[in-house]
Amino acid sequence: TQLLEQSPQFLSIQEGENLTVYCNSSSVFSSLQWYRQEPGEGPVLLVTVVTGGEVKKLKRLTFQFGDARKDSSLHITAAQPGDTGLYLCAGASAGNNRKLIWGLGTSLAVNP
Amino acid sequence: GAGVSQSPSNKVTEKGKDVELRCDPISGHTALYWYRQSLGQGLEFLIYFQGNSAPDKSGLPSDRFSAERTGGSVSTLTIQRTQQEDSAVYLCASSLRGFQETQYFGPGTRLLVL
Repeated sequence: TQLLEQSPQFLSIQEGENLTVYCNSSSVFSSLQWYRQEPGEGPVLLVTVVTGGEVKKLKRLTFQFGDARKDSSLHITAAQPGDTGLYLCAGASAGNNRKLIWGLGTSLAVNP
Repeated sequence: GAGVSQSPSNKVTEKGKDVELRCDPISGHTALYWYRQSLGQGLEFLIYFQGNSAPDKSGLPSDRFSAERTGGSVSTLTIQRTQQEDSAVYLCASSLRGFQETQYFGPGTRLLVL
């Protein structure tokens, strides 16, 4: 069974701090997506990484896909209260599996 | 344009009753997904529709769960004889063609079975 483990599960920081959340697996993925979910809403796609070693930046968010395409990280610089939410990673199998494999998420709270 | 919409937004029902949850995907999206999200359980895949292909029902937890998609657009998820463990947020998503593309999620239906 393919699993995606996210860590930490919960994170509470002060505005302005930096943080990194991780998404790890023993399986290889053809692509990996990061979503943010706010209370009462569905997840919203932030980025998709496809190439091993790929780094993508979205304003203060930096996403990296591991060289072996088994893991990924999300780094947020100078966190803002608006970054608060549940961050989910989801991997697309390298095989012909028509489902994404989802992590349990990292719940981030950024306090003003 | 309009995003994915779901109704009702909240549903409270009694154990043993049947419920129907509705999803209106983004117009033109051929792929539609149903997920269940429970506290501490993450997103659990339930069913996937892609165009005119047979749906992938491999995630449905029991035969009390069924879903249909009429005319390649609106989808209904039906839970028969609801149990307390069915309480969760049911999320619908659609994408243009397939699972590796961006999935656009609706706001979900919060189901509480008493």
